[in-house]
Amino acid sequence: DQQVKQNSPSLSVQEGRISILNCDYTNSMFDYFLWYKKYPAEGPTFLISISSIKDKNEDGRFTVFLNKSAKHLSLHIVPSQPGDSAVYFCAASVAGNQFYFGTGTSLTVIP
Amino acid sequence: DTEVTQTPKHLVMGMTNKKSLKCEQHMGHRAMYWYKQKAKKPPELMFVYSYEKLSINESVPSRFSPECPNSSLLNLHLHALQPEDSALYLCASSQVETGYNEQFFGPGTRLTVL
Repeated sequence: DQQVKQNSPSLSVQEGRISILNCDYTNSMFDYFLWYKKYPAEGPTFLISISSIKDKNEDGRFTVFLNKSAKHLSLHIVPSQPGDSAVYFCAASVAGNQFYFGTGTSLTVIP
Repeated sequence: DTEVTQTPKHLVMGMTNKKSLKCEQHMGHRAMYWYKQKAKKPPELMFVYSYEKLSINESVPSRFSPECPNSSLLNLHLHALQPEDSALYLCASSQVETGYNEQFFGPGTRLTVL
């Protein structure tokens, strides 16, 4: 059973606009979450993390929001750039032990 | 150096062949991981090494045999694989196995079993 779900397989956004990628999880014990970006023929690249003691973490154009009661996190990219076009994975763990990954969302930023 | 390298990039092998995948990192990380990823699926954890000792084996068939010769190297020995083992094999490392630290991934080896 998939413990981490990304229900949108793909997303298209105009350059300069906001991209919002969503991730839901089922295990209430998860307390550490990561977002990765993956280009074709490359391994996933770490983007940003958040632990459950926070509800928001920012790094430049990337912000991750965590809603523990809804078991939901989202990644906001503002402004979106064509180079952001990639597959985005969220991953969740209990205290950094064994990450569970979502199936990914393919983001296309249209120039 | 924040890179995890993997060789080869691509590998085609028959079901009777023996081959090995190699992973290397020089970040001083003491935890290393093997993941398997099929198309349109998330990465699935196979093995975890912590301080060069096997920590987790996620019920992986014995035709996959991991080895950690030292803290920088991780190998995956392959023997008598099946066509359904064709996938992208990803190596990752982190500072330690537990704790709030991210995993760094290599580019992967695309394996095709004929």
